[in-house]
Amino acid sequence: QLQLQESGPGLVKPSETLSLTCTVSDGSITSSSYYWAWIRQPPGKGLEWIGTIYYSGSSYYNPSLKSRVTISVDTSKNHFSLKLSSVTAADTAVYYCAKQPRISGTAYYFDYWGQGTLVTVSS
Amino acid sequence: IVLTQSPATLSLSPGDRATLSCRTSQSISSYLAWYQQKPGQAPRLLIYDASNRATGIPARFSGSGSGTDFTLTISSLEPEDFAVYYCQQRSNWPTFGGGTKVEIK
Repeated sequence: QLQLQESGPGLVKPSETLSLTCTVSDGSITSSSYYWAWIRQPPGKGLEWIGTIYYSGSSYYNPSLKSRVTISVDTSKNHFSLKLSSVTAADTAVYYCAKQPRISGTAYYFDYWGQGTLVTVSS
Repeated sequence: IVLTQSPATLSLSPGDRATLSCRTSQSISSYLAWYQQKPGQAPRLLIYDASNRATGIPARFSGSGSGTDFTLTISSLEPEDFAVYYCQQRSNWPTFGGGTKVEIK
């Protein structure tokens, strides 16, 4: 069964860049049937989609974060990554990676999730 | 697209029927999903495209609605069903509702 695992620093300083990686196991990131996504959840709050990428590198982002977000894919390592620049305390959250089925070229819902990783922005 | 979930909290007993609402700021056809999240865990997909149960989801979970009004129904609450539930639309770039917490009365 496909598994997703987030990794990266748990503490980032304000104004710096948050960097996380999601490693895909028991499945191929180059499958034409999937998209790959990042979602975050501030402590005690709701869910916010950050962005989605296809293995080809085609990506789209939440308009509210687009100026600070880059999602990339490394097919040789079977993982995809998130970079969020100029972070503030408001970016403190649990960051999840997730898979979206690709049906007729459209990204569907988030059917597999990683366990999540807490990233705290603090000096 | 803004999703508004109600109520914010639902206090019920095991065996009760739970009815959760999700309203969208514009019509999204049937492009709505429901997720369950327990403390310290990632969300789990329950329902997709308004009324289709995801793989392995018990039949006590059902979804209905289209356009702007959607409902998640849990026919008889089991102890493991007490959690937070989120709706999410895929008509436009994905957005989530604020969640409904189903707690033990």
